[in-house]
Amino acid sequence: NAGVTQTPKFRVLKTGQSMTLLCAQDMNHEYMYWYRQDPGMGLRLIHYSVGEGTTAKGEVPDGYNVSRLKKQNFLLGLESAAPSQTSVYFCASSYGPIYEQYFGPGTRLTVT
Amino acid sequence: GESVGLHLPTLSVQEGDNSIINCAYSNSASDYFIWYKQESGKGPQFIIDIRSNMDKRQGQRVTVLLNKTVKHLSLQIAATQPGDSAVYFCAENVTGGYNKLIFGAGTRLAVHP
Repeated sequence: NAGVTQTPKFRVLKTGQSMTLLCAQDMNHEYMYWYRQDPGMGLRLIHYSVGEGTTAKGEVPDGYNVSRLKKQNFLLGLESAAPSQTSVYFCASSYGPIYEQYFGPGTRLTVT
Repeated sequence: GESVGLHLPTLSVQEGDNSIINCAYSNSASDYFIWYKQESGKGPQFIIDIRSNMDKRQGQRVTVLLNKTVKHLSLQIAATQPGDSAVYFCAENVTGGYNKLIFGAGTRLAVHP
C-alpha cells in the first residue's frame, strides 16, 4: 500500500514550457486534490475532484488544468509555465468529505 | 471571512516538556478540524482530527482541544521529543458541498535537548 505517490519529485521549467504532474493513490479514495505550498504560507487548493471524470476549481486555479480519467489518478497540467508557478505541489486524497486527507511527498517545481 | 491563523510562528521547547500549539479560526460554521505535521521536504502527515460536536480528543501523546465559543483550536504534545520538530498546520473544514480545508500558515516547533 503506497498511499499517495507523485511524479516527478523535482522539475525545472523555462517560462512558457508545459508539463504534467501525476498523482496516484491506491486507497480507492473518491476525492483527490492538488495544492500548492509557498514559503510562509499554508497550502492553497488549486483544483479538486469528487470522483472519476469530475473536476472543479479551488482557490487558485488560474494557469492550471486537471483531469481525472481514472479514479486512482489525478493529473495537474501547466500549459504555459510562469515564474509565479514556482512552488511545491502536493496531491492529496480522501475517502469523502469531512475525512482526513492523505498527502503525497510533493513535487518541487522551479520556473525560470 | 474564511481564515485559519496561528498565534505563534515559532515555538521552542526543551525535550521532555509539553508543547502547546494554538490556532484561531474565523468561520463559525466549520465542522471539522485537523492537525497536520510537516517535516522538511515531506508532505503533511495527519496527526489528529476533531469534529465540531466534540471539545477534546486524545491520541498517542497528543490532545486536541476545541473551543467553539472563542473559535480556538490547540494541539498539545506530551513529553516532546526531538522527532516532534516540524511545522504544524491546523486546518478547518468549511461546509458547503465539498471537503474544503482551509490551512493556516503553520507553526514551527523546535525541540532542544
